[in-house]
Amino acid sequence: GQQVMQIPQYQHVQEGEDFTTYCNSSTTLSNIQWYKQRPGGHPVFLIQLVKSGEVKKQKRLTFQFGEAKKNSSLHITATQTTDVGTYFCAGEQGSSNTGKLIFGQGTTLQVKP
Amino acid sequence: GAVVSQHPSRVICKSGTSVKIECRSLDFQATTMFWYRQFPKQSLMLMATSNEGSKATYEQGVEKDKFLINHASLTLSTLTVTSAHPEDSSFYICSAGAHSSTEAFFGQGTRLTVV
Repeated sequence: GQQVMQIPQYQHVQEGEDFTTYCNSSTTLSNIQWYKQRPGGHPVFLIQLVKSGEVKKQKRLTFQFGEAKKNSSLHITATQTTDVGTYFCAGEQGSSNTGKLIFGQGTTLQVKP
Repeated sequence: GAVVSQHPSRVICKSGTSVKIECRSLDFQATTMFWYRQFPKQSLMLMATSNEGSKATYEQGVEKDKFLINHASLTLSTLTVTSAHPEDSSFYICSAGAHSSTEAFFGQGTRLTVV
């Protein structure tokens, strides 16, 4: 079945440093979504990427979708303590938008003030 | 944004009993809802797709007789963990999508502890 791999599993950074998490799917995705989950909370939608090679920015966050639509990355510039949490990528397989998401393992970010 | 409400947020039950978890879309209709399970410090594992008015679709390895799903209306899906055992203890979370968006809106999750 479809698998979505995400690395690294954990990342500890000093406040102000950059952070990147990578996501790779075994199959082509119709779209990829990114979510953030704070400790004890539920996943919150960040963004969706649909087009091959798409790049989207949200303030200090930059999201990329690979040309083959099988990989993606999230880059945070100059991390802040509010960025702490687990970041999940989630892919939707194939060409149809069914809403059925397969989640990566998540990357837990810790930021030292 | 759209709101999905999940209840209860926490539940402790005895082994052998059943527990029902509700997932409601408060301001939109959801023909499809999804149920996930999340173990501590792990990812969300899709358990099943809940379809309004029809049988749920279960992922491989998920026992449909143990995890009963009912999606009786366009705003409510329920997950019943039957004959619960300690290994069923986990964080269960539902999601739904509005027709106008492919974004998934998650409920707050239910932390189930079976003692």
